[in-house]
Amino acid sequence: SQWGEENLQALSIQEGEDVTMNCSYKTYTTVVHWYRQDSGRGPALIILIRSNEREKRSGRLRATLDTSSQSSSLSITAAQCEDTAVYFCATDYGSSGNKLIFGIGTLLSVKP
Amino acid sequence: DPKIIQKPKYLVAVTGSEKILICEQYLGHNAMYWYRQSAKKPLEFMFSYSYQKLMDNQTASSRFQPQSSKKNHLDLQITALKPDDSATYFCASSQGDFNQAPLFGEGTRLSVL
Repeated sequence: SQWGEENLQALSIQEGEDVTMNCSYKTYTTVVHWYRQDSGRGPALIILIRSNEREKRSGRLRATLDTSSQSSSLSITAAQCEDTAVYFCATDYGSSGNKLIFGIGTLLSVKP
Repeated sequence: DPKIIQKPKYLVAVTGSEKILICEQYLGHNAMYWYRQSAKKPLEFMFSYSYQKLMDNQTASSRFQPQSSKKNHLDLQITALKPDDSATYFCASSQGDFNQAPLFGEGTRLSVL
């Protein structure tokens, strides 16, 4: 498997808290995608970080990428109930095509 | 309005039958993909097409055949259905040279009895 984590992780936090989700990958990649998937919906890209970026921000989201340790993280600041979803990280195979390899995901529940 | 239309949303089939999953995108993208999401498994890449040509196939079984009749269509024909084929099948598309992150449709949830 491309990913170190094999089991779906579940995190439950209170509204207003900060949360960080981590992914580690095994093979070289030029970009890490972070997607969220709401129940019954397709995955939606929320942030993308490339190998020449150590950090990327988008609103309350912050992604980091450490190519030396082959790991990435996604942080959500002041989580809201609508952040409840499954969050996936995905890497691509590089120049051969946009073949994303997804991790198993983290189920984040934000409670009021 | 949805930009990637997948039909049907739900599909029930009997073992051994054949079904076609429909995908149309109205984003002007030239690359289209199929992914599969089974219970307790990660999203899994199946196929990629660019300008209606097959670029990559990661599906071991020939029972899965993509069909591209138009640039913005990529249907998925599945023959001799098995219960293990039960999954949600997502179509996705992206623009240009594969450096753009794919946009996913809402999926077709297939149950094989």
